[in-house]
Amino acid sequence: QTVVTQEPSFSVSPGGTVTLTCGLSSGSVSTSYYPSWYQQIPGQAPRTLIYRTNSRSSGVPDRFSGSILGNKAALTITGAQADDESDYYCVLYMGSGVYVFGDGTKVTVL
Amino acid sequence: EVQLVESGGGLVQSGGSLRLSCAASGFIFSSYLMHWVRQVPGKGLVWVSRINTDGSGTTYADSVKGRFTISRDNAKNTLYLQMNSLRADDTAVYYCARAPNDYFGMDVWGQGTTVTVSS
Repeated sequence: QTVVTQEPSFSVSPGGTVTLTCGLSSGSVSTSYYPSWYQQIPGQAPRTLIYRTNSRSSGVPDRFSGSILGNKAALTITGAQADDESDYYCVLYMGSGVYVFGDGTKVTVL
Repeated sequence: EVQLVESGGGLVQSGGSLRLSCAASGFIFSSYLMHWVRQVPGKGLVWVSRINTDGSGTTYADSVKGRFTISRDNAKNTLYLQMNSLRADDTAVYYCARAPNDYFGMDVWGQGTTVTVSS
């Protein structure tokens, strides 16, 4: 069974930059997996940040960017703000209409 | 305003059934794929199912295949999830989400409805 891997947690200083990654337990992530990224504050519904690797969803500030770094998808937050403190999830399209979420990364801004 | 509102959650005994609904408004419902995603409180998001625009194509996570059925009524702008043979590990908040054809992901999410399966 395919497992999508994410770092459990990350800390970043206000104004700093953090890069979260999204990998596969076996194999490399490419644009063919159409990685997307979601932000979720506990107790709230998810919010879409990035789709199709690097396209920003409507209303998402440009301090959030998506890319492929090496063999993983990546979400970079540049100039982190206090309200970026949240859980971040990636999802990969596995083909044939099937999707798999990663377990999420908890980002702390301090 | 684009909106998705889930309903139908509640408490059900193990082995029972429940049907969730997701009412869509503010957009052309029939033009979008739709997903169900669930989340056990304190845990991560898990993809459950997807349906294409006219309802002719559906896919499921292995954990729910054969027990859950996704469907839609484009005339009523409503998405459904029929859940049968429910188990304690189906306990979760269930979100519906909209998916543009070219997104390969979700763009708008509902607020969720809670399903609790008692053993």
